[in-house]
Amino acid sequence: AQKVTQAQTEISVVEKEDVTLDCVYETRDTTYYLFWYKQPPSGELVFLIRRNSFDEQNEISGRYSWNFQKSTSSFNFTITASQVVDSAVYFCALSEGSTLGRLYFGRGTQLTVWP
Amino acid sequence: DVKVTQSSRYLVKRTGEKVFLECVQDMDHENMFWYRQDPGLGLRLIYFSYDVKMKEKGDIPEGYSVSREKKERFSLILESASTNQTSMYLCASLIGTEAFFGQGTRLTVV
Repeated sequence: AQKVTQAQTEISVVEKEDVTLDCVYETRDTTYYLFWYKQPPSGELVFLIRRNSFDEQNEISGRYSWNFQKSTSSFNFTITASQVVDSAVYFCALSEGSTLGRLYFGRGTQLTVWP
Repeated sequence: DVKVTQSSRYLVKRTGEKVFLECVQDMDHENMFWYRQDPGLGLRLIYFSYDVKMKEKGDIPEGYSVSREKKERFSLILESASTNQTSMYLCASLIGTEAFFGQGTRLTVV
């Protein structure tokens, strides 16, 4: 069974629209970490955020925000006022306390922002 | 800044060849990983290593082996390359819970 599910395979938006990327995870560990990575066309994975299971505060960084809800096992990522440079594949990932270091990735969401 | 370097961006090999993919990190990290990325499948873990000469299988180790003779270098070996190993390969090193990735090697087996 997939530990991390990104149900949206592809999303297309027009510049300046807001867009939310969904991530649902599954774990029995009480200690775990959630991540979002961006992969632009160049191929390198860029770290965006890490959240531990004991910190449910939502986070905002510029146009990016993250909504962590343990009750629904979700860690969604919103881009406000999207830009063409946001076009990339975005991956959600999980690291469990029992196997710390090993990342389980979702299948990724391809975001295309049109001018 | 942490640097994880993969020896090649693009590689073309023939079926049956022995292929070495090299990964070097410059931050003395103990944990290193090899992932394979395929469209629609995300990143899947092939092998990982927690220390020199230590290795553990990930989710898809078949057809691969690894070598970690020095802390900074983690090599992925395709003993006899096959066309179904055509893929993007990503190396990562880890400190705490933060992973740093290399730029990836796009391998084509013909």
